Amino acid sequence: GAGVSQTPSNKVTEKGKYVELRCDPISGHTALYWYRQSLGQGPEFLIYFQGTGAADDSGLPNDRFFAVRPEGSVSTLKIQRTERGDSAVYLCASSPRGRRTSTDTQYFGPGTRLTVL
Amino acid sequence: AQKVTQAQTEISVVEKEDVTLDCVYETRDTTYYLFWYKQPPSGELVFLIRRNSFDEQNEISGRYSWNFQKSTSSFNFTITASQVVDSAVYFCALIPYNQGGKLIFGQGTELSVKP
Repeated sequence: GAGVSQTPSNKVTEKGKYVELRCDPISGHTALYWYRQSLGQGPEFLIYFQGTGAADDSGLPNDRFFAVRPEGSVSTLKIQRTERGDSAVYLCASSPRGRRTSTDTQYFGPGTRLTVL
Repeated sequence: AQKVTQAQTEISVVEKEDVTLDCVYETRDTTYYLFWYKQPPSGELVFLIRRNSFDEQNEISGRYSWNFQKSTSSFNFTITASQVVDSAVYFCALIPYNQGGKLIFGQGTELSVKP
């Protein structure tokens, strides 16, 4: 079946603008995760959804970052007043069960490369 | 601290050589899960293996093998008879049971296999 998809694949924006990044998980997966990967680094956790609710948003760096998953499927990561330091690849992953303490294997999408000029 | 360390930043080998990628982890939890992912130049993270802390059996899958040793908190990955297509960045990652949902990644090891 189809894997995790993310749109757009690339996004270039200017400092101070608002951006939305979209993630479409594997069909039937109840858990969804967002990570951020800076150049030469491993991915860093941002937020984890179980169904429609955020089970853990401890990785969001500040209140400019927000994510939603209103129907328990597609998720949108929203970044307000973008800064040059937000430039990174934003990765989305999904996993099948999404229990509160999910340790399931996470399957990743191709990522969205965000560049803030 | 909950942490994964991949001390080798870059490794370069010639095709058909064997290569081992090191991974050392730290966690307070007695139950945890370890993973390896491959990130080819295309950028997508590809899942390779998942291992729980109660299963110390080594695993072999084709040319890939994994050596899990709780005594040294290591989960090393060996590629036998490497091929050019193995060139990628490889990440080791940890989920402590009490932080379910949050993969903790190492810095990654960039493997270059030359023909």
